[in-house]
Amino acid sequence: EVQLVQSGAEVKKPGESLRISCKGYGYSFTNYWIVWVRQMPEKGLEWMGIVYPGDSNIRYSPSFQGRVTISADKSISTAYLQWGSLKASDSAMYFCARIVLGGRYWYFDVWGRGTLVTVSS
Amino acid sequence: SSELTQDPAVSVALRQTVRITCQGDSLGTFYASWYQQKAGQAPVLLIYGRNNRPSGIPDRFSGSTSGNTASLTITGAQAEDEADYYCYSRDSSGNMGAFGGGTKLTVL
Repeated sequence: EVQLVQSGAEVKKPGESLRISCKGYGYSFTNYWIVWVRQMPEKGLEWMGIVYPGDSNIRYSPSFQGRVTISADKSISTAYLQWGSLKASDSAMYFCARIVLGGRYWYFDVWGRGTLVTVSS
Repeated sequence: SSELTQDPAVSVALRQTVRITCQGDSLGTFYASWYQQKAGQAPVLLIYGRNNRPSGIPDRFSGSTSGNTASLTITGAQAEDEADYYCYSRDSSGNMGAFGGGTKLTVL
């Protein structure tokens, strides 16, 4: 079964660092882009950045450039999202999803269950 | 442009038909995909491309595009269809684009 398994919920203090993960199963992890998506409480979906595990090509949304770091380790089929210094405003649910590239359409066919990040003093 | 606009809320009577729309300049070039998100759950892909449904998605869900507007139609809405619905498309330059703001569907 194709699935993305995300790491568990995190509770952190402002200023702390954090790395969350997304591990792929059941498919060739190196052949698909992975997207990270933020969902703040009671808000919509925002894509943060994408990574191609095959060659670690990474692209960031302008809204998140410089605020997070995305990476991947193809040897263990895992993508990462990390923060160097968390803020309370980073409290949100974070999803990873697999991207399928068509000619006139891209879509996200497999989603992780999400990682809830809570940042509070 | 990467902006996609959705109505914030739509309601439909049980077993009736409802259309949820998504407007954006990029939709004249690129197809939208549609996602359903129930409370406390991850989004689920409903429609992609011209009008393709992944395995397991009921055929009461369908997609279409006219000009710069993509539509998701639910024919015979069920109580379990009550959820938030998001569209997504690449932007006009063919880059990653954006999600629409989401539509909250209430089934009466």
